[in-house]
Amino acid sequence: GEDVEQSLFLSVREGDSSVINCTYTDSSSTYLYWYKQEPGAGLQLLTYIFSNMDMKQDQRLTVLLNKKDKHLSLRIADTQTGDSAIYFCASARTGANNLFFGTGTRLTVIP
Amino acid sequence: NAGVMQNPRHLVRRRGQEARLRCSPMKGHSHVYWYRQLPEEGLKFMVYLQKENIIDESGMPKERFSAEFPKEGPSILRIQQVVRGDSAAYFCASSPARQETQYFGPGTRLLVL
Repeated sequence: GEDVEQSLFLSVREGDSSVINCTYTDSSSTYLYWYKQEPGAGLQLLTYIFSNMDMKQDQRLTVLLNKKDKHLSLRIADTQTGDSAIYFCASARTGANNLFFGTGTRLTVIP
Repeated sequence: NAGVMQNPRHLVRRRGQEARLRCSPMKGHSHVYWYRQLPEEGLKFMVYLQKENIIDESGMPKERFSAEFPKEGPSILRIQQVVRGDSAAYFCASSPARQETQYFGPGTRLLVL
C-alpha cells in the first residue's frame, strides 16, 4: 500500500510563512491533496494538485510537487492564528478507491 | 448547498452495545466513503459504497462492522458489540464519481465506555 509521511509538529510566528512537508511512496499517485482539520471538526479541503503539475498557487497557499523525489509541500504565506490546525496530506492512486492519508502536521501559530 | 452531513456528532456507547452512524452525501454525489481516525493518527479507509452497492470494503474489520447505502436515505455504518478499541472519530466523505475529489463531513466521535 501507499505510505504517506509528514512531520508531526510545526510552530511559526504570526506573519511568517509556514511550510508543511509530505512524502509519499507510490509513483502512480494521481492527485495529491491538502486538508485542514480544526479541533473537533471535520476535514476541510484546502487545495489539491495533479501529478503532472509542479506548482499550484491559491491566494496564500502554494503547493509544490517534486514528483521525482515524491515530495509535496504546502506553503502558507502570512500565517495567521486562525491557521492553527492539523494539516493532512493525502494521495489518490490509480486504481484505488480511497485516499491515503499522512498522520497530519499540527501547526501552531504563535501570536 | 449543504455539505456532507453526519449524525450524531458524538455518540457514547457501553461495551457490547451497537453503534449506528449516519452519513448523507453532498447533493448530486452518489459515492460514499467511510474512514476511521484513531486518536493522534491519520485517517484510515474502511469502505466505499455507491447506491445499494458495496464497492470496496478492504479496510473494514471482518467482524462486527457493516455498511450500507440504500436507494433512499443516508449511508449507515453499523458497529455491533462495540469494544473500547472502537473509540475513534468516523468520517464520511462523498464524491460525484469514482476517483473524484472527496469532500468530508464533520465526523462522528464515538466513545465506548
